[in-house]
Amino acid sequence: GEDVEQSLFLSVREGDSSVINCTYTDSSSTYLYWYKQEPGAGLQLLTYIFSNMDMKQDQRLTVLLNKKDKHLSLRIADTQTGDSAIYFCAESIKIYNQGGKLIFGQGTELSVKP
Amino acid sequence: DGGITQSPKYLFRKEGQNVTLSCEQNLNHDAMYWYRQDPGQGLRLIYYSQIVNDFQKGDIAEGYSVSREKKESFPLTVTSAQKNPTAFYLCASSIFPNTEAFFGQGTRLTVV
Repeated sequence: GEDVEQSLFLSVREGDSSVINCTYTDSSSTYLYWYKQEPGAGLQLLTYIFSNMDMKQDQRLTVLLNKKDKHLSLRIADTQTGDSAIYFCAESIKIYNQGGKLIFGQGTELSVKP
Repeated sequence: DGGITQSPKYLFRKEGQNVTLSCEQNLNHDAMYWYRQDPGQGLRLIYYSQIVNDFQKGDIAEGYSVSREKKESFPLTVTSAQKNPTAFYLCASSIFPNTEAFFGQGTRLTVV
């Protein structure tokens, strides 16, 4: 079946690195995504990785993909108080004759303490 | 500006009433989606549409209905059959199905 799992909470000190982890089940996923949600708002796409890549770096963000273990992580370097938000992992699922859809994890609430 | 607009931002409904949430996009995207968000449960897919005049049920479609008569519009109706409709509803679109989705700002529905 389709399932994406994340831990619910992470707390770090300002200036430290944050690592948010995610596991997924569908080995045919083409893309995996990280989204950020601030309180009362919609989701903002942060970054994504194609399934044939191991790593992608984008400024302070590093995405690591272990396809064998179906494990995805998002590392935020030099975490700031403005990074406090809920972070969602999502995998893309192809559906025969119906295009496809995104399946989201439960979200990890990141709290950054000054 | 290109984007996805959801309206209203807050909506109150009496029990037993149907209510329709609006979602409009001017990104020329083919695919559109409706998600429901409850605390601690992440996003659950209600309905999705990959093209005009076509839509499919997601994981929690019971008590909801949609239409896709125009490419830019994908309204969601929450019917009286939905047992627990109070939630935050998010609409999204993507250029093709299962590519990255762009989200609206959400509608918070409260049943009173």
